[in-house]
Amino acid sequence: QKEVEQNSGPLSVPEGAIASLNCTYSDRGSQSFFWYRQYSGKSPELIMSIYSNGDKEDGRFTAQLNKASQYVSLLIRDSQPSDSATYLCAVRASGTYKYIFGTGTRLKVLA
Amino acid sequence: DVKVTQSSRYLVKRTGEKVFLECVQDMDHENMFWYRQDPGLGLRLIYFSYDVKMKEKGDIPEGYSVSREKKERFSLILESASTNQTSMYLCASSFRDRLYEQYFGPGTRLTVT
Repeated sequence: QKEVEQNSGPLSVPEGAIASLNCTYSDRGSQSFFWYRQYSGKSPELIMSIYSNGDKEDGRFTAQLNKASQYVSLLIRDSQPSDSATYLCAVRASGTYKYIFGTGTRLKVLA
Repeated sequence: DVKVTQSSRYLVKRTGEKVFLECVQDMDHENMFWYRQDPGLGLRLIYFSYDVKMKEKGDIPEGYSVSREKKERFSLILESASTNQTSMYLCASSFRDRLYEQYFGPGTRLTVT
């Protein structure tokens, strides 16, 4: 069974701090990795994708990928209360079109 | 803006009823998906359609069927609803060549009593 693991949280950080969200995956052949943000009572929205080892930056968000360690992370700089949400890690299962989603990490940014 | 709409936000049905959940997207996306989301289990794929009348089973297709007669519309059918199908159902869509950039609808919270 291919798995994606996330700490459910909540992860609490003060406003202005860096929030670090982590995800590990079991399928060594996975090539595509995604982060979705889901506000309470809302549907997920795609915020980042990463395909190569290293960092990918988009505004206050940085995705980091380490395929050797089977680890992907999302850093949110200058965290704002509006960043409070559940962050879902999704991994494309190798050899298929399917995503495998983690159960999400709940982030709380304290004003 | 991509818009994916779902027919109901909340639905309550009785065990054994036939249930239809409908999803419509207005961005001419080829791919459409049905997921369910449950606490502690995350998002799980029920069915996927890559074209009109074409479908693929996801990870948990048992107890569900789908219909895609028009490109913009993808329906999920629960032939005989059961209490273990109480869940949040999410529809998503994407372009054919950007399969993994999926846009989600607002969800339908289905309760089967």
